[in-house]
Amino acid sequence: SAVISQKPSRDICQRGTSLTIQCQVDSQVTMMFWYRQQPGQSLTLIATANQGSEATYESGFVIDKFPISRPNLTFSTLTVSNMSPEDSSIYLCSVEGRGGLAGELFFGEGSRLTVL
Amino acid sequence: AQSVTQPDIHITVSEGASLELRCNYSYGATPYLFWYVQSPGQGLQLLLKYFSGDTLVQGIKGFEAEFKRSQSSFNLRKPSVHWSDAAEYFCAVGSGNTGKLIFGQGTTLQVKP
Repeated sequence: SAVISQKPSRDICQRGTSLTIQCQVDSQVTMMFWYRQQPGQSLTLIATANQGSEATYESGFVIDKFPISRPNLTFSTLTVSNMSPEDSSIYLCSVEGRGGLAGELFFGEGSRLTVL
Repeated sequence: AQSVTQPDIHITVSEGASLELRCNYSYGATPYLFWYVQSPGQGLQLLLKYFSGDTLVQGIKGFEAEFKRSQSSFNLRKPSVHWSDAAEYFCAVGSGNTGKLIFGQGTTLQVKP
């Protein structure tokens, strides 16, 4: 398993501002994944972050809105830029298990953002 | 299109009663199937997973699920529900090698005393 820590756990933000979410993993991992969970909705993958290369974004998500950094094998950040109330969501960082756990995702507790 | 459907948005059961949460999927390749639970204010915890082999899989907290390829289903069951099982349950499908999971809309379980 993997232990994933996210900061902040929650925040209230003003429209038009940006916020950076940090994700720290207790072991080195090749890929890290950022998911969004809008209120009352399911989880949707935003992007996959590989160390040393640009993140790969899913359809409907763009780098200008959700820039991602991946400076090393245990850390990543997701920035939510120029926020609007529609960005109010829980943002979750996740990593894949290894070996027999491949394909299985471990999740952080999420960062709950409220945009006013 | 790849998708996961959880037909029941909200289910209420009495404590001690049996539980079945439904999940249907549409996936072009061999599916890797998962059930996650999200308790209020918590992250997602994996209950169980199916990759191959025995189609009845056992998970944590007394949960089990059965993969039925002919019905494209992966229903979650528990013989006797506890009050602490009240949570949001998500079914998910993936390919097993990309880390990208497609989640269902979730089923909220309420447990009556």
